[in-house]
Amino acid sequence: DQQVKQNSPSLSVQEGRISILNCDYTNSMFDYFLWYKKYPAEGPTFLISISSIKDKNEDGRFTVFLNKSAKHLSLHIVPSQPGDSAVYFCAASIAAPDNYGGATNKLIFGTGTLLAVQP
Amino acid sequence: DTGVSQNPRHKITKRGQNVTFRCDPISEHNRLYWYRQTLGQGPEFLTYFQNEAQLEKSRLLSDRFSAERPKGSFSTLEIQRTEQGDSAMYLCASSGETQYFGPGTRLLVL
Repeated sequence: DQQVKQNSPSLSVQEGRISILNCDYTNSMFDYFLWYKKYPAEGPTFLISISSIKDKNEDGRFTVFLNKSAKHLSLHIVPSQPGDSAVYFCAASIAAPDNYGGATNKLIFGTGTLLAVQP
Repeated sequence: DTGVSQNPRHKITKRGQNVTFRCDPISEHNRLYWYRQTLGQGPEFLTYFQNEAQLEKSRLLSDRFSAERPKGSFSTLEIQRTEQGDSAMYLCASSGETQYFGPGTRLLVL
C-alpha cells in the first residue's frame, strides 16, 4: 500500500526555468510534509517542509504547495540550476501523540523523482 | 561537523555473518530513527527511539534485526545471519522538529 506516490520517475528542465515536482498521498491523517534531495551514495538532505495548517511555504528558490482537498503537494524550484540535479523525495508524517509536532514521528516516503537540469 | 554520522560507510559481508552499524545523532536531538533504502525505492522506516526508549518497530524489522540506544546518545543496528535480501542502504536520522539524515551505510551481502 503506497501511501505516498511520486508518479513521475524523472523530469528534465532547462537551466533557469521552473522545475515542478509532484507528490500525491492517500492517508488523510498525514499532517506534515517534507521534501528531501538525494545525491547517489549520500543520505537525503532536507529541503523544505509544510504543515497541514498551511497551503504554501517558501524558502529561497524552493516553494512547496499543499492542496489538502486533492491530497497533493508540489515542489517548485525557480530558477533551476544544474546543481539541483538529484533525486527528490517527498515524505509525509502524522504528528506524534505527545504533540512534539513537526516530523518527529516516522516518515513515509515516495519513490522519488530524478530531476535533471540541463545547462 | 555537527551532523548525523554513520559508520561504517560501506560493509561487504558473506551470507550468514552478523553485522553492526553505528549512528551518532545531532547532539541536542533526542529522537533517532533507522530507515532502509533499496534501489528504486524511497527510504522505508525501520524503528525509532525517544532517548533510550524504542517507541516503534516496523514489521520490516524481522527477528534477525535488533537496534539499541543504550544511553540515549548513539545507536547501533545489528543484523544477525545476514541474507542477500538485506543488501541495502541503511540510513539513520535524528530530529528536533525536522529529521536530518546521515550519509548511510551501504551493505552488500554476498
